[in-house]
Amino acid sequence: DQQVKQNSPSLSVQEGRISILNCDYTNSMFDYFLWYKKYPAEGPTFLISISSIKDKNEDGRFTVFLNKSAKHLSLHIVPSQPGDSAVYFCAASALGSGYALNFGKGTSLLVTP
Amino acid sequence: GAGVSQSPSNKVTEKGKDVELRCDPISGHTALYWYRQSLGQGLEFLIYFQGNSAPDKSGLPSDRFSAERTGGSVSTLTIQRTQQEDSAVYLCASSLLAGDNTGELFFGEGSRLTVL
Repeated sequence: DQQVKQNSPSLSVQEGRISILNCDYTNSMFDYFLWYKKYPAEGPTFLISISSIKDKNEDGRFTVFLNKSAKHLSLHIVPSQPGDSAVYFCAASALGSGYALNFGKGTSLLVTP
Repeated sequence: GAGVSQSPSNKVTEKGKDVELRCDPISGHTALYWYRQSLGQGLEFLIYFQGNSAPDKSGLPSDRFSAERTGGSVSTLTIQRTQQEDSAVYLCASSLLAGDNTGELFFGEGSRLTVL
């Protein structure tokens, strides 16, 4: 069963605007969440992460928000740039199981000029 | 090497044949992981190595799948008697420490397997 869900397979945003990618999870044991970015024909690369003791983590244009009660996290990209066009995967792990990241199916982001 | 290296990058095989996929992790990384991504799906965990041992093989989809790691470095994923549903991109990743809870994995570019 899919423990990490990304319900929007694709998203299109205009350059300069905010991109919001959403992720829901079902396993309450998850305590560490990550976003990976993937370009075609390349492996996923780590983007940003957040521990369950926080509700926000910011790195430049990227901010991840965590709502534990709703089992929901989101990635905000502001301002969006055409180079951000990629597939974004949400992933989660549980304490002591950091090796077995559970990934969502990904959201394909297209940033148009 | 500078990054995780996987070979072959593309493999086309006939149903019923065996295939071997190779992963060379980042030097010094003790943990190595295999994932696969089927069309339209997320990354599916297959197996994880800590050194040469595999504490978690729970993700291997069937007994046709096996993996080994030697010398704490290179790993080989073997699929015997391939089936069409095995067609996917097989991704290898490594990390400095296992279970360190940062969860940051460094991925290779993947091996795209097509079973005809």
